[in-house]
Parts: sequence; structure tokens; C-alpha cells
Amino acid sequence: GESVGLHLPTLSVQEGDNSIINCAYSNSASDYFIWYKQESGKGPQFIIDIRSNMDKRQGQRVTVLLNKTVKHLSLQIAATQPGDSAVYFCAECNQAGTALIFGKGTTLSVSS
Amino acid sequence: NAGVTQTPKFQVLKTGQSMTLQCAQDMNHEYMSWYRQDPGMGLRLIHYSVGAGITDQGEVPNGYNVSRSTTEDFPLRLLSAAPSQTSVYFCASSIGTGTYNEQFFGPGTRLTVL
Repeated sequence: GESVGLHLPTLSVQEGDNSIINCAYSNSASDYFIWYKQESGKGPQFIIDIRSNMDKRQGQRVTVLLNKTVKHLSLQIAATQPGDSAVYFCAECNQAGTALIFGKGTTLSVSS
Repeated sequence: NAGVTQTPKFQVLKTGQSMTLQCAQDMNHEYMSWYRQDPGMGLRLIHYSVGAGITDQGEVPNGYNVSRSTTEDFPLRLLSAAPSQTSVYFCASSIGTGTYNEQFFGPGTRLTVL
């Protein structure tokens, strides 16, 4: 079946660095792509989404880039803080809006 | 608003026992869903509902039943628990379907089946 995956299971950065988390997807028909943050013992928390007709979208300290040519999605976090330490998942939404397909996640560790 | 709430937070079952995981939302969302998360994995969709009285299967529906009698509640039933159902279960809701809408997740229920 179709799947969404992340390139690296872990990423360690220093406080203040910029972080880049990558994701490869396989379903070119997906209309939306979403990034979630999951802290230990909690449910996924929405960070940012991007529609397939966009290349870039910016939020507060975060930017999502979408490259449809190579089916690649990335999340950039500016000035990473210890509170950003968590597992980050990318997900794609089917066209009916009824299902999210998640990747396996990248654990971001921020040291001060 | 309390958002999406789930009970219990933790549960231990023996193989063959049955139980119901509760999920409720107070945002008047039409769409609700259940996911399971196994260690080191992303979430996988079990069942979903696009409104009261309407349910459908997701990627991993076997061993689980759902019903949607009200807009607010979407319980997940395990009829005969198996060790393979040991997982963390998340309920989510969104305003509607037809296209993507932001999904809000509950805090999860950690289930262990012995």
C-alpha cells in the first residue's frame, strides 16, 4: 500500500541551531501533507500543513517545503529550543479527508 | 472546550477479555477516528466515522468494533483481546470531511494485553 516515511529516526541538535526533518512520500495523489509533534505520553499535536499545489508554507519558527518532483517533504525549525524535543511525524491525507497515513517518526533531541 | 478526551488512560487486560475505550469531543465535530500506535511506529487508522450513524474501516480494523450513536462519542470495542492489540490508542476528530481538515488528537489510552 501507499506509505509515508521519514529518512532518519533520530536527529540531535544544539539549542539555537536550525533543524531540518525530512520525509519521503509515495502517493502522488495526496492533496495535503501535515507535520505533527508528539511529546512523550501525549497525542500528536498539529504543527503545520501544506497543500499539494504549494511549495512552501511558513508558520511561527517553522517552514514546510514540498518537492513534488521527488516526493519529498521537509520541516525546518528555526532557532531550535529544548521544548522542541519530541518525535515528529509527517502524514499525508487522502483526497476524501477521511484518513491520515503516518510515517514512522523522527526523534529530535535538543541539547542546551 | 475540553477538546478530545479519552478514558481510561491505562488498561491491562487478559487475553480473551473484552473492553470499550471511550472517546468524546465537545467541538461538534462530524468526523471522528481511532488510531493505534505501536512502539517506534507512526499511527495507523483503525476505524472512522463521518457522522452519527456512519462508520467505516481503516487500515487495521480486525478485532475492533465501533459505533457512533451521537456526534460527541465514538467508543472503540475490543471483543476478545489479543496480545497483538497491545498498543497506544488515539482518538481524533475534525470538523468534517470531503477534504482535509485539521485533526485534533486525544491524549491516548495505553493498553496492555497479557
